[in-house]
Amino acid sequence: EVQLVESGGGLVQPGGSLRLSCVVSGLTFKTYWMAWVRQAPGKGLEYVANINQDGNEKYFADSVQGRFDVSRDNAKNSLYLQMNSLRAEDTAVYYCAKWDFGFDCWGPGTLVTVSS
Amino acid sequence: EIVLTQSPGTLSLSPGERATLSCRASQSVRNNYLYWYQQRPGQAPRVLIYEASRRVTGIPDRFSGSGSGTDFTLSISRLEPEDFAVYYCQQSGISPWTFGQGTKVEVK
Repeated sequence: EVQLVESGGGLVQPGGSLRLSCVVSGLTFKTYWMAWVRQAPGKGLEYVANINQDGNEKYFADSVQGRFDVSRDNAKNSLYLQMNSLRAEDTAVYYCAKWDFGFDCWGPGTLVTVSS
Repeated sequence: EIVLTQSPGTLSLSPGERATLSCRASQSVRNNYLYWYQQRPGQAPRVLIYEASRRVTGIPDRFSGSGSGTDFTLSISRLEPEDFAVYYCQQSGISPWTFGQGTKVEVK
């Protein structure tokens, strides 16, 4: 069974930093593009970032460009999202997702709250 | 970036009726890399349609996708109770990838 499990969410002050992790099991992690997608409370889905199999190709939403970084460790079957200079509008559930024919596997998400 | 505009915002229908959801792109979606997702309350989304018209394995055949270029449609032929949810389109033709704002299909 394929499983994606995010961790690292929590409460952080504006301007602060947070690092999210996603551990993947049940598939050959190193063969897939991976991504982060977020959803603010009561709002729609927003693409955040994605990364290729080797980790040397990355793309970001305009809203997080220059503040967030995505990385992966294929030896640990893990995906990461480093979030810096956090703003109130970054408050959301952050999902880790596998890309194949669309985002075809999702984690349960981890909540990030940016507030003083 | 490509902006995806979904309409209507809310669709009020009865079980057994047909639903037609629209997704319009601000520029042509390369190779029709357009996807449709369903999200039920409290759940993560699940992909229904990939590359505009291809149904994901295991998705009922009452769901179908069509369109090309800038105009895409998701159709649900006969709504079942479990189909009342929010639907999103998403494109991967041009980076950064983007989602539409969603269409809620609710019980009339």
